[in-house]
Amino acid sequence: DVKVTQSSRYLVKRTGEKVFLECVQDMDHENMFWYRQDPGLGLRLIYFSYDVKMKEKGDIPEGYSVSREKKERFSLILESASTNQTSMYLCASRYTLLTGQATSPLHFGNGTRLTVT
Amino acid sequence: AQSVAQPEDQVNVAEGNPLTVKCTYSVSGNPYLFWYVQYPNRGLQFLLKYITGDNLVKGSYGFEAEFNKSQTSFHLKKPSALVSDSALYFCAVRHAGGTSYGKLTFGQGTILTVHP
Repeated sequence: DVKVTQSSRYLVKRTGEKVFLECVQDMDHENMFWYRQDPGLGLRLIYFSYDVKMKEKGDIPEGYSVSREKKERFSLILESASTNQTSMYLCASRYTLLTGQATSPLHFGNGTRLTVT
Repeated sequence: AQSVAQPEDQVNVAEGNPLTVKCTYSVSGNPYLFWYVQYPNRGLQFLLKYITGDNLVKGSYGFEAEFNKSQTSFHLKKPSALVSDSALYFCAVRHAGGTSYGKLTFGQGTILTVHP
């Protein structure tokens, strides 16, 4: 089974702190994603990465950055945490078929619940 | 732009009865559609997908979904609900082409509660 591991289950940070959320997958997947989940808003895409060192902005990238130096690891960075970034953060990965159709499902980690005070 | 709507925030059904969780979508070109389920304090798990072919798709845990192109819908169904089906369900559509290749857009989620 694919395993996507998020380093922290719960995190409490102060306003203005730099925050790192780490995600590791063990199935050599090319694509990786960061979503945030808020009640009534569903999942919103922050950033995604096609492959190592490649990244693209999602729907709500403001206040976030990412890093993908190795294929298995995708980090989300909050440069200066704010209270409106209190949320559940979900990492996901996906295998890209040789046809390039990217129709395989996403595999999600269990999430990191971040509270910024 | 692409979007997904799940018109019901919550669905309640009695155990043993059929259930339906609704989803409508908007996307340019042909859609790729997915259903995911989230149990408390867990990440999302894949249930089923529609890519092409038969409009009725079967997935995990006895769930199925029907793709209706004319109504732009992809409703999730199960003939006989179980209490253990109680969870949060998300519909998602795949973006077609461009630099956002393969990006999924999710609906806001529907809470399914199955009563004993």
